[in-house]
Amino acid sequence: AAGVIQSPRHLIKEKRETATLKCYPIPRHDTVYWYQQGPGQDPQFLISFYEKMQSDKGSIPDRFSAQQFSDYHSELNMSSLELGDSALYFCASSLGRISYEQYFGPGTRLTVT
Amino acid sequence: AQSVTQLDSQVPVFEEAPVELRCNYSSSVSVYLFWYVQYPNQGLQLLLKYLSGSTLVKGINGFEAEFNKSQTSFHLRKPSVHISDTAEYFCAVSDQGTSYDKVIFGPGTSLSVIP
Repeated sequence: AAGVIQSPRHLIKEKRETATLKCYPIPRHDTVYWYQQGPGQDPQFLISFYEKMQSDKGSIPDRFSAQQFSDYHSELNMSSLELGDSALYFCASSLGRISYEQYFGPGTRLTVT
Repeated sequence: AQSVTQLDSQVPVFEEAPVELRCNYSSSVSVYLFWYVQYPNQGLQLLLKYLSGSTLVKGINGFEAEFNKSQTSFHLRKPSVHISDTAEYFCAVSDQGTSYDKVIFGPGTSLSVIP
């Protein structure tokens, strides 16, 4: 079965650079969620989109922005990167805003040097 | 606001021994409960979830968990662990019937199975 696709899987950036992470949900899923997992930390919710509109917001820094496009894929844009942004970024998708049916992607590991 | 506590950050256990990973939550509303597993350098995989009904939930890989509303607990158990169960385990919660979509994760328990 098709799963959530995230690209790239690994990304290395320098401080103050920008990064764009992409998430392709499971076909027909209309809701996308973004989570950040720092080293040795639990995943923290950043933001979610339902039908291309922001539906919930967590601890997402102002330097980050995200959107969901007409084909339901989502992009997380991160500017002025800091060392503390180094983390594993997960995307999850669901059909409808149903939290208990979230399927997680493999994650993008961002390293800021 | 919801929160999840996992009382043990690390649990070493011998192969073929039973294991219990503890999870407690707090919430002012009814919740859904989850256990996720994360193998080294991999993503999150859902082990099992409690939505409603029977308080004993069976998941993949021989794991099960029991929801105890009075104790606000959702402990994970396996009667006999294998080396391949070595991983990080996250207990998680989300609100029922609200406008909030997010899943709140606990700090995780690192399970190490010793040969």
